[in-house]
Amino acid sequence: AQSVTQPDIHITVSEGASLELRCNYSYGATPYLFWYVQSPGQGLQLLLKYFSGDTLVQGIKGFEAEFKRSQSSFNLRKPSVHWSDAAEYFCAVAIRDNTDKLIFGTGTRLQVFP
Amino acid sequence: DGGITQSPKYLFRKEGQNVTLSCEQNLNHDAMYWYRQDPGQGLRLIYYSQIVNDFQKGDIAEGYSVSREKKESFPLTVTSAQKNPTAFYLCASSSRAISGNTIYFGEGSWLTVV
Repeated sequence: AQSVTQPDIHITVSEGASLELRCNYSYGATPYLFWYVQSPGQGLQLLLKYFSGDTLVQGIKGFEAEFKRSQSSFNLRKPSVHWSDAAEYFCAVAIRDNTDKLIFGTGTRLQVFP
Repeated sequence: DGGITQSPKYLFRKEGQNVTLSCEQNLNHDAMYWYRQDPGQGLRLIYYSQIVNDFQKGDIAEGYSVSREKKESFPLTVTSAQKNPTAFYLCASSSRAISGNTIYFGEGSWLTVV
């Protein structure tokens, strides 16, 4: 069955430090992968997505993610974190069944210290 | 502005009552979705609709009902059969039901059973 695992429930970093959020997926075919960000009590905003081609994907707000098929991973990175990046981050995989249904990970909450 | 509007933002329900959450989009999207979010569990799909007058159950449809009479509207009714309805509910839409499309989310509705 398809699944997404985000092994880190909570991560704390200092402002200006680099960030990597982990995401592993289980899916039989080539996946479509997404990263979303959610501020408290708000909806989700798309950061970036991978469909095919270049395995390093650039997104909004200075984020990037790298698709590694051999490791079934799609980790999110940012070289220098800003206090406004504090939020919850969700990795998701799209089921390729002619719908846009997404399977979400359980999320990683990012806390940023000044 | 184009987007997805959910109402109400906060809703309290007494046990045994049905409540309806509204979701309206002016993005001219064909597909619409309802997700439920609980702390530590990520998002889970309740119902989705790929076209007007058609909808399918998601992973946790029991105790919920939907309708899709208009393209722009996809209301969710939480019935008294839903045993644990307190949660954050997110409505979403995508341009058409082809795998890998970006899904856009509303701002969410908090439902609390009192």
